[in-house]
Amino acid sequence: DQQVKQNSPSLSVQEGRISILNCDYTNSMFDYFLWYKKYPAEGPTFLISISSIKDKNEDGRFTVFLNKSAKHLSLHIGPSQPGDSAVYFCSLTQGGSEKLVFGKGTKLTVNP
Amino acid sequence: DAGVIQSPRHEVTEMGQEVTLRCKPISGHNSLFWYRQTMMRGLELLIYFNNNVPIDDSGMPEDRFSAKMPNASFSTLKIQPSEPRDSAVYFCASSLARFRETQYFGPGTRLLVL
Repeated sequence: DQQVKQNSPSLSVQEGRISILNCDYTNSMFDYFLWYKKYPAEGPTFLISISSIKDKNEDGRFTVFLNKSAKHLSLHIGPSQPGDSAVYFCSLTQGGSEKLVFGKGTKLTVNP
Repeated sequence: DAGVIQSPRHEVTEMGQEVTLRCKPISGHNSLFWYRQTMMRGLELLIYFNNNVPIDDSGMPEDRFSAKMPNASFSTLKIQPSEPRDSAVYFCASSLARFRETQYFGPGTRLLVL
């Protein structure tokens, strides 16, 4: 029973274009959402987060959008660079808990 | 400043053997998490500690798995006896136990049980 779904296992985009990674969740109690990025042979690293009181958060080339009614969040990377090629995980938590629930990840490839 | 340190980075063992994975969290962090990553199940939380005390071990798959945190700078995850289905990448992460604090992951231990 997956609480967090990243339905696209992989995504390929051209350098300079916008990459859009999607994440759906089932439990409306989740109230804090994070994206982590993972390179091969390394652990995940935190990228950006958003609280349920917001619907958008930006940090440089990275923007996260939250649609609470649809239980959907997305990560936009633009313009995409080859160094952005990695696996991206969305993760969720609720009520101030430290316990994160992760999606299975989307492998992004940015082609030069 | 050193990040989370995990050892060994790779472990190959035979079914039935005991496996011990080690983790040194970032100095000053007081929460520590053990995760397992597999193709089938993705990244799942096994157990986490706060101030060296286990808070939630609901993700530990079965009694063959155990975790300890004897002090603030060291934790172990033990599998005894190991089985081929335990093959996975095991990550340790640490954080400051403050509201919405980011978790910092180690590089992981890749375990293969033959």
